[in-house]
Amino acid sequence: AQSVTQLGSHVSVSEGALVLLRCNYSSSVPPYLFWYVQYPNQGLQLLLKYTTGATLVKGINGFEAEFKKSETSFHLTKPSAHMSDAAEYFCAVSRYNQGGKLIFGQGTELSVKP
Amino acid sequence: DGGITQSPKYLFRKEGQNVTLSCEQNLNHDAMYWYRQDPGQGLRLIYYSQIVNDFQKGDIAEGYSVSREKKESFPLTVTSAQKNPTAFYLCASSSRVGTEAFFGQGTRLTVV
Repeated sequence: AQSVTQLGSHVSVSEGALVLLRCNYSSSVPPYLFWYVQYPNQGLQLLLKYTTGATLVKGINGFEAEFKKSETSFHLTKPSAHMSDAAEYFCAVSRYNQGGKLIFGQGTELSVKP
Repeated sequence: DGGITQSPKYLFRKEGQNVTLSCEQNLNHDAMYWYRQDPGQGLRLIYYSQIVNDFQKGDIAEGYSVSREKKESFPLTVTSAQKNPTAFYLCASSSRVGTEAFFGQGTRLTVV
């Protein structure tokens, strides 16, 4: 079985500060891992994904995440927060070849203070 | 422009009525999915379909039904058997061997 845990339902940072959103997963098979972003009353947009290969993954809007198998983690980071980064972020896991059948974490709402 | 279109964006229904949410995609994707989103619970899979005329239950299928008569379309019916239907519903699609899902803009259903 697969599952995802996002640590912290709300994270608040100051503009220009480091963003760190935590995600831990469990999976009995090699996972595919994703981070999605959702703005209010909108659908989800893919930020980045890990499938195979390089464990440090770069995504859109300056975000990146590192797959750490030993820690079963896939934390999302951004060096410098911008006001436009305020949104809800979801970590998700899937199996190989089932990229749309996702198991989601509970979500983390990111607030950015001026 | 390729994408996934959900309609309507907002939907209000009286308790006890069935309601159908529309989802259309022009990405030529084989697989389509319906997710339900509730505050603090992330997204949960309702139904999915990997090919036309075939679909499978997800984690929370009770009180919902779907059809997949065309590759482009995957409508979701919320029946009166669904005990708590008020939620945000998201449709997604992916290619058969795809590694990611593409999402529509969602339909917010309110049952009064």
